[in-house]
Amino acid sequence: QKEVEQNSGPLSVPEGAIASLNCTYSDRGSQSFFWYRQYSGKSPELIMSIYSNGDKEDGRFTAQLNKASQYVSLLIRDSQPSDSATYLCAVNYPGGFKTIFGAGTRLFVKA
Amino acid sequence: DGGITQSPKYLFRKEGQNVTLSCEQNLNHDAMYWYRQDPGQGLRLIYYSQIVNDFQKGDIAEGYSVSREKKESFPLTVTSAQKNPTAFYLCASSLGRTGLAYEQYFGPGTRLTVT
Repeated sequence: QKEVEQNSGPLSVPEGAIASLNCTYSDRGSQSFFWYRQYSGKSPELIMSIYSNGDKEDGRFTAQLNKASQYVSLLIRDSQPSDSATYLCAVNYPGGFKTIFGAGTRLFVKA
Repeated sequence: DGGITQSPKYLFRKEGQNVTLSCEQNLNHDAMYWYRQDPGQGLRLIYYSQIVNDFQKGDIAEGYSVSREKKESFPLTVTSAQKNPTAFYLCASSLGRTGLAYEQYFGPGTRLTVT
């Protein structure tokens, strides 16, 4: 059973702090990894994709991938109340177009 | 504007009725997907299509059917055989080629309530 695991939270951080969201996956052959943000009642929005080991930065967001540990994380610097949402980790498994989504981590940024 | 549209936004049906959810994209993406999301849960794949006139079952295809007659359109029918149809239904698309093939972009969703 291919799985993507996330801490459901909620994760609460003060405004301006760094929020750290974590995700583990079960299939060592996975090659594509994604982070989506989902506001309450809305559809998921792609915010980061990462394909190779290491860090990838985009504005206040940094995705980190460690394939040996089967671990992917998302750091949000200078967190804002508008970052309060559920963050979904997604992993694409080799051999097809199927992407497995984690259940998401709820993030609250306190003003 | 390029994007994915889903209609309607809210849909109410009586138990025992089939209902079709619309999904249209103008991104020129090859691949399209249907997911279901229940409260507090992640997305579960219902069906996906890599190319016109071809589609595959996802993890929870029972009680659902799809068609892919045009590249732009991937409608989902929720049949009366689906035991718990009330959910938030999300359509997505991706390029379906190498490189960025698997980055999926979502429509706004359809919230279906069956009573």
